[in-house]
Formats: sequence, C-alpha cells, structure tokens
Amino acid sequence: GDSVTQMEGPVTLSEEAFLTINCTYTATGYPSLFWYVQYPGEGLQLLLKATKADDKGSNKGFEATYRKETTSFHLEKGSVQVSDSAVYFCAHEGFQKLVFGTGTRLLVSP
Amino acid sequence: GAVVSQHPSWVICKSGTSVKIECRSLDFQATTMFWYRQFPKQSLMLMATSNEGSKATYEQGVEKDKFLINHASLTLSTLTVTSAHPEDSSFYICSARGQDNYEQYFGPGTRLTVT
Repeated sequence: GDSVTQMEGPVTLSEEAFLTINCTYTATGYPSLFWYVQYPGEGLQLLLKATKADDKGSNKGFEATYRKETTSFHLEKGSVQVSDSAVYFCAHEGFQKLVFGTGTRLLVSP
Repeated sequence: GAVVSQHPSWVICKSGTSVKIECRSLDFQATTMFWYRQFPKQSLMLMATSNEGSKATYEQGVEKDKFLINHASLTLSTLTVTSAHPEDSSFYICSARGQDNYEQYFGPGTRLTVT
C-alpha cells in the first residue's frame, strides 16, 4: 500500500549546520509530495510541496526535489537556525488523502 | 494564513464515558474537514473525511459508531469518542480545506487520555 518513510530522529545540529532529512515513498502513480512542519504547541503547517517529477519546492531556505527515479523527496537546508527546531513530516497525496511519515524531530542548538 | 482551532487541547476522561472534540476554521469556510489520529512516534493516520452537510466517510478499520463525526456548518466539525476505553487514548488532529483551496490547514491537536 501507499506509505512514506522518513529518517528517525531526533536530528541534533548546531546552528548554521547543513540539514538533510531523508524521505522516500511508495505510491500508485505520481502523487504530489509535501513537507509539513510542526512547531511546539502548534498545528502542522505546509512548508513546501512539489507536484511533479523534478519539481523543486522551496520555502524559508528549505528545499526538496521530487525524484521519481528514487521515489524520494529529501528535505535540505544549507544553514539551520535555532528557530528551525520542530518536527518535520513528509507526506504524499493520493485520491485527495494525505499519507504521512512518522515525523523527524530537529533540535538546533546555539 | 488560515487558522484552525481545536478544543479542548487536552482532556482526561474515565473509561465508558464519551468525549467531544471541536474543530473550527476561524477565518475561512471549510467545505471539507479531516480527522487524524496520531500514536507516539507514529504517523498521522486519517480516520475520516467529512464534507459540510453530509455524512463522514470513514477509513477502513475505523468504527463509525465509536467515532461520531458531525460537520453541521462550514466552520465547525466535531468528533465524539463514545464509550471511551484506554486504547482510545491518543492525539487527535483535525484539518480543514476550503472549497477554492487545495491546501489542508491543521489544528494544534487534542490529547485524549482515558483512565
């Protein structure tokens, strides 16, 4: 069945370090792909998305490229900040339903 | 951006009682609302999809008589956990989508603990 697999956390980085959070998916066809972020005490917010192969979603310095050949949508940021500490969820949408990964907690220290 | 609220943010109830959780879209009309359940260190699992004024569509394995969903207005959906048991303890999250918007907007979640 459809699923999303993302790396387990927590991921602990120092400020200004490079971030990669891996995400792979299984799905029928070519679904839209998403990264959501959840800050403490808040709801999930859409961070970025890509709707077709080779699309690159980007927002707030974060990027992810839709890789059809590897069924991946890895999240990257060149220089993380303390304020980026949150839980990040990878997801894909099929038949108007979102399928989520388990979430990866990112902790950024000063 | 669009805001979705949930109430209460946490609730503790005794086994056998019923609990109602509200989900409100504060600044837009939500034609579709979704209810998710999240276990510790696991994904959000879609429980049901509800469209305003019609019956909810439940995902396979979700008991519709236990998890009652009402979407009576364009700004409010409720989830009632009936005859709650400890295994129903979980984090329940709603999301809402407007008729002219592709994006789902999520509430902050409600933590239910059944003792």
